[in-house]
Amino acid sequence: AAGVIQSPRHLIKEKRETATLKCYPIPRHDTVYWYQQGPGQDPQFLISFYEKMQSDKGSIPDRFSAQQFSDYHSELNMSSLELGDSALYFCASSSQETGVGELFFGEGSRLTVL
Amino acid sequence: KNEVEQSPQNLTAQEGEFITINCSYSVGISALHWLQQHPGGGIVSLFMLSSGKKKHGRLIATINIQEKHSSLHITASHPRDSAVYICAVEAGGSQGNLIFGKGTKLSVKP
Repeated sequence: AAGVIQSPRHLIKEKRETATLKCYPIPRHDTVYWYQQGPGQDPQFLISFYEKMQSDKGSIPDRFSAQQFSDYHSELNMSSLELGDSALYFCASSSQETGVGELFFGEGSRLTVL
Repeated sequence: KNEVEQSPQNLTAQEGEFITINCSYSVGISALHWLQQHPGGGIVSLFMLSSGKKKHGRLIATINIQEKHSSLHITASHPRDSAVYICAVEAGGSQGNLIFGKGTKLSVKP
């Protein structure tokens, strides 16, 4: 069965550069969630989208933005990167239509800022 | 004090042992998730609970809403169960706006 696909899996950037992470949800899933997990830290919820509209916002820095496209994939854009942005970024997807509420996670994108 | 507390933080077991990981939370919740994270970092959702008990293979999850407590049990543990187990709750935000516990690192020795 198709799973949640994230790309790239690994990314190395310099300080002050920009980075874009992509998340492709499971087919027919309409909701995407983004999380950030710093080294040795608990994951933190960043932002979520339902039907291409932002549905909830967590601890996402102002330097970050995200959107969900018509094919339901989502992109997390990070600008003016700082060393502290180095983390594993997860996305998850679910289907509001089925109402089951189970989350399906991607493998994560590991961002290293040098 | 963290809103989601897990115990123990670290757990070492022998293959075949029965394992229990506990999660207590201090906020009202709409659902509780048990997640598994392997050393490579990928997260797998094991259970989503809002009441009662769920079973999947050797894994059992229970929740007591009145006591704000959940447990994850692993029967007949196996070295491949070695991972970090994370409890996370949906607490007033939208589905997926999770508050995560710090995880329990389980190591099962052959």
